[in-house]
Amino acid sequence: SQKIEQNSEALNIQEGKTATLTCNYTNYSPAYLQWYRQDPGRGPVFLLLIRENEKEKRKERLKVTFDTTLKQSLFHITASQPADSATYLCALDTTDKLIFGTGTRLQVFP
Amino acid sequence: GAGVSQSPSNKVTEKGKDVELRCDPISGHTALYWYRQSLGQGLEFLIYFQGNSAPDKSGLPSDRFSAERTGGSVSTLTIQRTQQEDSAVYLCASSYHTGVNTEAFFGQGTRLTVV
Repeated sequence: SQKIEQNSEALNIQEGKTATLTCNYTNYSPAYLQWYRQDPGRGPVFLLLIRENEKEKRKERLKVTFDTTLKQSLFHITASQPADSATYLCALDTTDKLIFGTGTRLQVFP
Repeated sequence: GAGVSQSPSNKVTEKGKDVELRCDPISGHTALYWYRQSLGQGLEFLIYFQGNSAPDKSGLPSDRFSAERTGGSVSTLTIQRTQQEDSAVYLCASSYHTGVNTEAFFGQGTRLTVV
């Protein structure tokens, strides 16, 4: 079955720095990969989608890379702010459903 | 509606009782998904609907779990004879269609506590 790994430990960084979150997967070759943000007590919110033939995708301060050879996606938040503190989930976009990783909690402190 | 709506937002039930969780998707979205999230865990896929049919029920944990969708809109997830391990947040999502390249819109979830 598909296995999706994200750093289980929280990532703590200082405001203004770049946060980098990792998503590794096995046993699947998704054509697409998505990233979501989840705040406590809320459902996940879509952030970015990247296709397998796209090496990099940007949206404002967010950047996602997708290396299908390494089976890895990296999610970057530049110039991080305390408001970026949340859990970030990657999801493999299969033919009919999204399969989520466990998420990485990001804490940005002033 | 403006977004995916789930009800109730919180449900406390006694072990052995049946519960029904409701999901009202975004109007016009043909695909509807149910996920379960235990404390500090990721999202566990349960079932999805394309229209009123459920092509993939592979994530349902046991035969105590069932779901239906009527009129291509509202969906109900039913858990019979609840157990303590069923305690979790149940999340519903909808998307314009199934398949790749489509974002999912989530509701706020129903927090189920079995005591």
